[in-house]
Amino acid sequence: QQQVKQSPQSLIVQKGGISIINCAYENTAFDYFPWYQQFPGKGPALLIAIRPDVSEKKEGRFTISFNKSAKQFSLHIMDSQPGDSATYFCAASGTGTGNQFYFGTGTSLTVIP
Amino acid sequence: DSGVTQTPKHLITATGQRVTLRCSPRSGDLSVYWYQQSLDQGLQFLIQYYNGEERAKGNILERFSAQQFPDLHSELNLSSLELGDSALYFCASTRGLAGSTDTQYFGPGTRLTVL
Repeated sequence: QQQVKQSPQSLIVQKGGISIINCAYENTAFDYFPWYQQFPGKGPALLIAIRPDVSEKKEGRFTISFNKSAKQFSLHIMDSQPGDSATYFCAASGTGTGNQFYFGTGTSLTVIP
Repeated sequence: DSGVTQTPKHLITATGQRVTLRCSPRSGDLSVYWYQQSLDQGLQFLIQYYNGEERAKGNILERFSAQQFPDLHSELNLSSLELGDSALYFCASTRGLAGSTDTQYFGPGTRLTVL
């Protein structure tokens, strides 16, 4: 059973546009939600993370929006650039969730110049 | 550079063989996680160790095993290899256990090719 559901599977955006990736979860014990960026042949790298006590977190062009009641969170990439082309994974973890991080299935983002 | 190191970077072997993948966590990190990533697949959690002890198990095959040593480095052993075991294997580390304020930092991965 997929603990964290991620969509879309792939995304194509024009340069300068907004990329939006969505994730949903069921386990209310999750209390930490990181996003990872992975380039081909490389390991995932932490991009930005949020805890459920805030509804939004922004770092540069990257913003996480968090909706606790809906159990959803999303990554927004503003002014998308070709260099943002990568695979993005959402994840979730929490105390008492079996010492695991649960990852979404990934979104392949392509930003067209 | 995440501070997590993995060796070797690439590994090519034949079916039926056994290989060992090595991971050194970031300095001060006690937890090590192993993941498998097949082509066009997400990250499949295999196993987690914390300070030398197994703490969580995912979809790890019986042919696979792991351990974490007193110096906190970890090894993932894959035996009786099959073509389907070809994948990227990632190690990640955290300061403590999942659910703490720390997040996972991933190594560069080991690309295993089974011929």
